[in-house]
Amino acid sequence: DADVTQTPRNRITKTGKRIMLECSQTKGHDRMYWYRQDPGLGLRLIYYSFDVKDINKGEISDGYSVSRQAQAKFSLSLESAIPNQTALYFCATSDWSSGSHEQYFGPGTRLTVT
Amino acid sequence: DAKTTQPTSMDCAEGRAANLPCNHSTISGNEYVYWYRQIHSQGPQYIIHGLKNNETNEMASLIITEDRKSSTLILPHATLRDTAVYYCIVRSRDTDKLIFGTGTRLQVFP
Repeated sequence: DADVTQTPRNRITKTGKRIMLECSQTKGHDRMYWYRQDPGLGLRLIYYSFDVKDINKGEISDGYSVSRQAQAKFSLSLESAIPNQTALYFCATSDWSSGSHEQYFGPGTRLTVT
Repeated sequence: DAKTTQPTSMDCAEGRAANLPCNHSTISGNEYVYWYRQIHSQGPQYIIHGLKNNETNEMASLIITEDRKSSTLILPHATLRDTAVYYCIVRSRDTDKLIFGTGTRLQVFP
């Protein structure tokens, strides 16, 4: 969905490096999410944000941090990347203020930690 | 959130209806059934959701049994572009959390 963009789309980094994945949306949605997907598995929630001042941990937040810089931007950081954080990362948004709770996903970032 | 069970994989001929089943026998009264699909490592795409009644939109139909313990997603005229992993998810409308299982891999063949 072009309304949710993620940068970079692909990234290779070394163990111990800090890396930031960025997500931007033009949908005007209030809630944003970060998920990771490992090969052959479903998505797992890392963090989610109700609005700029409200951040919540998901099921696998250890080793990650997030920042909601504005309603339209939600960044995911790996402070010290490790190989088992190699995965496909997805950002998503939803519009709870309108009562519509569907989530809309970005195209994903493929991260490889060597 | 209730757990769902889906077949690992299914095949469907192009132009025919694809019927994807989902069991959710522990669903509670305030939980909805949602369907998403993921085409080859792209971001998941919302398809449809329902509570009790059958639902239809431009993409698909959702049939929920009267006891709500199972449902079927119907793609009425499958195309090759419908080849994807389809996820059936049960969740309360009060929660943000989408719990993705491993889904059903639908292969549409010519």
